[in-house]
Amino acid sequence: GAVVSQHPSRVICKSGTSVKIECRSLDFQATTMFWYRQFPKQSLMLMATSNEGSKATYEQGVEKDKFLINHASLTLSTLTVTSAHPEDSSFYICSATEWTGREPQHFGDGTRLSIL
Amino acid sequence: GQQLNQSPQSMFIQEGEDVSMNCTSSSIFNTWLWYKQDPGEGPVLLIALYKAGELTSNGRLTAQFGITRKDSFLNISASIPSDVGIYFCAGPQPFTGTASKLTFGTGTRLQVTL
Repeated sequence: GAVVSQHPSRVICKSGTSVKIECRSLDFQATTMFWYRQFPKQSLMLMATSNEGSKATYEQGVEKDKFLINHASLTLSTLTVTSAHPEDSSFYICSATEWTGREPQHFGDGTRLSIL
Repeated sequence: GQQLNQSPQSMFIQEGEDVSMNCTSSSIFNTWLWYKQDPGEGPVLLIALYKAGELTSNGRLTAQFGITRKDSFLNISASIPSDVGIYFCAGPQPFTGTASKLTFGTGTRLQVTL
């Protein structure tokens, strides 16, 4: 089945650091990837839609200058949390889909980000 | 915006018992998806439903797409310890395929005791 790889799985860093998270589709081409954030004991909340070759679209309330998204190829999207602060600590999950009309989204294993 | 409410929020059951959970929406969905999330991992798709009234099984799991298109149900028969996790329903924005923005439900946390 379709595999989505996310890296790193865990990051611990100091406040003010910028952190890059990668999302790769390993055996299919993904024209669209999605980035979600999940706080403890809560559901997944969509942050942004990453479109290959064009600008990402962000959900209401998500700062595009804070969460930079780049989707430079059909198999890779990156999320950079710029100047991270403790309130940015969360579980970030990406998903990817090979657009065939009904193909469900396949999710990565997530990145646990902890800002000290 | 759309909201998906899941019930129950959490449940403790004994191994071997059957489990039922549901998901309701304030608006119509044309596709219902059920995912399971284990701790520290991403969600894994269990069942996808595409038509009102559809009943689909995947092993011990059975899900139904409500005829009003505003709800869906997931049943797990003869639960086992590895069924532990959080179960999410999800649906794409109306009149689009699954390759679009998903709204996730509030989740049902399942714990199985021996």
